[in-house]
Amino acid sequence: SQTIHQWPATLVQPVGSPLSLECTVEGTSNPNLYWYRQAAGRGLQLLFYSVGIGQISSEVPQNLSASRPQDRQFILSSKKLLLSDSGFYLCAWSLTLGLAGGSYNEQFFGPGTRLTVL
Amino acid sequence: AQTVTQSQPEMSVQEAETVTLSCTYDTSENNYYLFWYKQPPSRQMILVIRQEAYKQQNATENRFSVNFQKAAKSFSLKISDSQLGDTAMYFCAFMKHSPNNDMRFGAGTRLTVKP
Repeated sequence: SQTIHQWPATLVQPVGSPLSLECTVEGTSNPNLYWYRQAAGRGLQLLFYSVGIGQISSEVPQNLSASRPQDRQFILSSKKLLLSDSGFYLCAWSLTLGLAGGSYNEQFFGPGTRLTVL
Repeated sequence: AQTVTQSQPEMSVQEAETVTLSCTYDTSENNYYLFWYKQPPSRQMILVIRQEAYKQQNATENRFSVNFQKAAKSFSLKISDSQLGDTAMYFCAFMKHSPNNDMRFGAGTRLTVKP
């Protein structure tokens, strides 16, 4: 079965410090991968998605970046954190349409990382 | 661009009663998917139910069912026999048929089930 991991679970960082959040997926190959941010009491905002190694699409301009160095690894980074970067970050995966139909269209989410920037 | 609107920020229901959460969306696509996700206090996102737009029959999953009105672009979630464990944020999500599978989420409805 497929599983998705995120770490760290919780992170407190000072303004201006760098950031690296990691997401890995097990039990599947060539998944689509996604990074979302959820501000307190709000919905999910799509930040980045990737359909393959080295392929990153950005949804919103920001001081964050994403990379996919391996098929099942997705990393969210920042060189200098801002106060507004605080939030709950969720990684998700899905199968590419056409490789599996039916119930595999939805996205499966990791446990999330709570980031507080002070 | 697709947008998803959940007009009820908060709702409450008595245990064992029925509650309906509203969701509307805006799209020019004809082939797409709709989802309801649940986010309990643990913050883990859990898929509750999904609906393919090409299917006229409303999806059901045990106590959860949807009322999908394609022409009205409406996708409401009905929870029957509400349980305390149903207390959570509920997000409606839209996904068009594309290789990216990227989803658009509504702002969420916070549901509280009262004993």
